[in-house]
Amino acid sequence: GAVVSQHPSRVICKSGTSVKIECRSLDFQATTMFWYRQFPKQSLMLMATSNEGSKATYEQGVEKDKFLINHASLTLSTLTVTSAHPEDSSFYICSARAGGEHYSNQPQHFGDGTRLSIL
Amino acid sequence: AQSVTQLDSHVSVSEGTPVLLRCNYSSSYSPSLFWYVQHPNKGLQLLLKYTSAATLVKGINGFEAEFKKSETSFHLTKPSAHMSDAAEYFCVVRVTDSWGKLQFGAGTQVVVTP
Repeated sequence: GAVVSQHPSRVICKSGTSVKIECRSLDFQATTMFWYRQFPKQSLMLMATSNEGSKATYEQGVEKDKFLINHASLTLSTLTVTSAHPEDSSFYICSARAGGEHYSNQPQHFGDGTRLSIL
Repeated sequence: AQSVTQLDSHVSVSEGTPVLLRCNYSSSYSPSLFWYVQHPNKGLQLLLKYTSAATLVKGINGFEAEFKKSETSFHLTKPSAHMSDAAEYFCVVRVTDSWGKLQFGAGTQVVVTP
């Protein structure tokens, strides 16, 4: 149980295009989803926290107009990298949790990640 | 604020020998600590977690970790390394905010040689 699916697993696109990454909870309802970015040989950095039906909360230094997050249903959150440039190339990972705010003890379940390469 | 420091960026072990991955934590409160493993180009798999119950925590695949408050440590061990243990390992602390965000350590790359 508790499977999180990310799609696509890998995407290569030209500079200036927008790219959408999907994160789906397959067998549970995810009230909260987290989006992380991981540069090569580095750790995961939290980008934003999204709560179903609400606006996402972004971490300091993350451009919300650059990384658009939509969490319109209890099983789907999307991250759109707008006008992507080579410096946006990274590994993006989502995680999902059944509970919302104040349910911090519940586990986060991670997707397999999306490798984004901008040429 | 909570944080974790992984003391080794790379660890190389021979197959069949013990594995030790070191992690120190900093927290004003009793922390919730985790170890995750990441295989290349994959997401994260939870190995084990400590949430103020038993100080010796047993996880999957033969891994275990011991919470030592006096040393502010949460080291991960395995008695006998397997080739499939080659991966990146992250020590993680849960931040005491209302959302329970996770703060990741820098990671330890484990190489297993035959």
